[in-house]
Amino acid sequence: AQSVAQPEDQVNVAEGNPLTVKCTYSVSGNPYLFWYVQYPNRGLQFLLKYITGDNLVKGSYGFEAEFNKSQTSFHLKKPSALVSDSALYFCAVRDPFDAGNMLTFGGGTRLMVKP
Amino acid sequence: EPEVTQTPSHQVTQMGQEVILRCVPISNHLYFYWYRQILGQKVEFLVSFYNNEISEKSEIFDDQFSVERPDGSNFTLKIRSTKLEDSAMYFCASSEGRSLLGYTFGSGTRLTVV
Repeated sequence: AQSVAQPEDQVNVAEGNPLTVKCTYSVSGNPYLFWYVQYPNRGLQFLLKYITGDNLVKGSYGFEAEFNKSQTSFHLKKPSALVSDSALYFCAVRDPFDAGNMLTFGGGTRLMVKP
Repeated sequence: EPEVTQTPSHQVTQMGQEVILRCVPISNHLYFYWYRQILGQKVEFLVSFYNNEISEKSEIFDDQFSVERPDGSNFTLKIRSTKLEDSAMYFCASSEGRSLLGYTFGSGTRLTVV
C-alpha cells in the first residue's frame, strides 16, 4: 500500500529566506508525486507534480520540488519565501499500478512565513 | 481555466438525514473522485468513478455512501443517514485519464452534522 509522510507539522521561516517542506513516500512502483496548497477555507490548489523525467520539477508561484528515488523523497522548496506563501501544504502520491487513480495524501505541513 | 464546481459550499444537516453533495467535473474529464478532510486532519480518498461505475473505494466508503452521475455533467455523493463523524470538508476532483493529466480539485463542500 502506498503512503506519504510529512514529518513536520509546521515550518516557520522568515520572509526572504529559503524554505523546504519535507515529504517522503512509500509505493510499490515508480511513483507519481504531487504537491497541493490549501489556504484557509479553500480547496486544494495544485502546485506541481512529478511523473517522469527531470528530477527537479518547477511549479506555480516559484515553488519547485526534487524527486530523489534513493531517499524516496519529494521535498518542496522555494528560494525566497513570501508572507503570502503561508498556508497548509500537502504532498500526495499515486501508485501507477493503482486502477482507481487514488491519491494518498500526507498529513500536511503548515508553513508560516513571518515578515 | 477549467474548474471543478461544487455546491453547496456549506451544508448543515441533522444527524440521520440524507445529504447529496453535488459536483460538476471538468467537461472532457473521464475520471471522477470524492475525498474528504475532517477538520485539521489529512485529506482521505473516498471513491473513484470511471465509465459509470466505481473503480476503487476506500474503507471509509461504506454502505451509507453512494455516488452517481445522473446526467452528462453532474457527479454526486449521497450520504444516506448522516452521523456526527461525517462532518468534514468534501472535495470532488476529476482527471482526464489514467495519466492524471489535469487532476483538479473543487473548492469543497463543508458538511456540518448537528
